[in-house]
Amino acid sequence: GESVGLHLPTLSVQEGDNSIINCAYSNSASDYFIWYKQESGKGPQFIIDIRSNMDKRQGQRVTVLLNKTVKHLSLQIAATQPGDSAVYFCAETTNYGQNFVFGPGTRLSVLP
Amino acid sequence: DGGITQSPKYLFRKEGQNVTLSCEQNLNHDAMYWYRQDPGQGLRLIYYSQIVNDFQKGDIAEGYSVSREKKESFPLTVTSAQKNPTAFYLCASSILRGMELFFGEGSRLTVL
Repeated sequence: GESVGLHLPTLSVQEGDNSIINCAYSNSASDYFIWYKQESGKGPQFIIDIRSNMDKRQGQRVTVLLNKTVKHLSLQIAATQPGDSAVYFCAETTNYGQNFVFGPGTRLSVLP
Repeated sequence: DGGITQSPKYLFRKEGQNVTLSCEQNLNHDAMYWYRQDPGQGLRLIYYSQIVNDFQKGDIAEGYSVSREKKESFPLTVTSAQKNPTAFYLCASSILRGMELFFGEGSRLTVL
């Protein structure tokens, strides 16, 4: 997998603002995507998923957008809260039961 | 509560020692996985198992071994052959391979 070294990309947002976290995926055959949230020292938690037959899916305060043309996935968090501070990463796989490939992640820091 | 339990949460090892990390799930999932996470990098797959008594190497299996004698359990042994074992190890499970992953809380191994 690719490596970005020791430093994750970081996104800093003011509390109450909206956050947009981006992910460029690698395999044009990938058709199932998941966003995970990982707090420091803990295991990743499922946030939202999307299949390639959709280009948008909404959850509670979160929206995932999929652009298959440019192989891009984004996670939008509305009204960002301090509890949203974490590392967010995307995972992709094909529908043929393959293993997931994970992005390196983006650190979201919510400023008071 | 259903979930995945990893133990120990923290483990220190001297060089040359083998250590075994425990992973137990009560989700009745067929597939189980071990990932390694290093700072600033995405999760990398060590081993996975789709069914009891069967397991396959992932991308970075060298220096690791696993067993899958029971559906609920998928222990990982970090052997002395693993050249750089200090890392955060995550166990996960899914109903089937390629479906949503559920993660444990991780085990942090430090080699002294």
